[in-house]
Amino acid sequence: NAGVTQTPKFRVLKTGQSMTLLCAQDMNHEYMYWYRQDPGMGLRLIHYSVGEGTTAKGEVPDGYNVSRLKKQNFLLGLESAAPSQTSVYFCASSYVGLGIQPQHFGDGTRLSIL
Amino acid sequence: TQLLEQSPQFLSIQEGENLTVYCNSSSVFSSLQWYRQEPGEGPVLLVTVVTGGEVKKLKRLTFQFGDARKDSSLHITAAQPGDTGLYLCAGWGGNNRLAFGKGNQVVVIP
Repeated sequence: NAGVTQTPKFRVLKTGQSMTLLCAQDMNHEYMYWYRQDPGMGLRLIHYSVGEGTTAKGEVPDGYNVSRLKKQNFLLGLESAAPSQTSVYFCASSYVGLGIQPQHFGDGTRLSIL
Repeated sequence: TQLLEQSPQFLSIQEGENLTVYCNSSSVFSSLQWYRQEPGEGPVLLVTVVTGGEVKKLKRLTFQFGDARKDSSLHITAAQPGDTGLYLCAGWGGNNRLAFGKGNQVVVIP
């Protein structure tokens, strides 16, 4: 079982460049999430989706956009990368958005902005 | 924003010792989850607690949810090197999202 797959695993960008991070899940989950993890800051929610075609802002959405055109995929875009966006990005999915359901995480994308 | 504070941030112990880490908040949560994260990987769910005062055991790990559903603790008995990792607590307060604490980094020395 693949679970949640994130691509790419590593990327280095220059300030001002754009890129898209891809998250794919094969568990038929409705809910998908994008987090960033920084030293001393824990996991912070960027955007999330409660189903195909829907997106919503999380705790730190500025500078990011997302799309959920297919149920299994959740894309995170950086239109104009900034050094402050250097981080490890995690995608997660859950069957529904209830606190008793586990969130299944990918192994992360390590992104450096120079 | 519902804040979860985890303490201690870092803990190093010898193999065979016991340890307890804590997750505290001023907010009430309908449920609380504990995840473990190893280097280079995403967090993996260990347990979900729902009822105030609930205690769950997972082999040598014991999880407790506070009576008021504002705090939780994780106790590890006879720690093993394989218990090394970042332990994250996450509370569900609604709004379709989990609020994560910053984590307890545990290192078990062989």
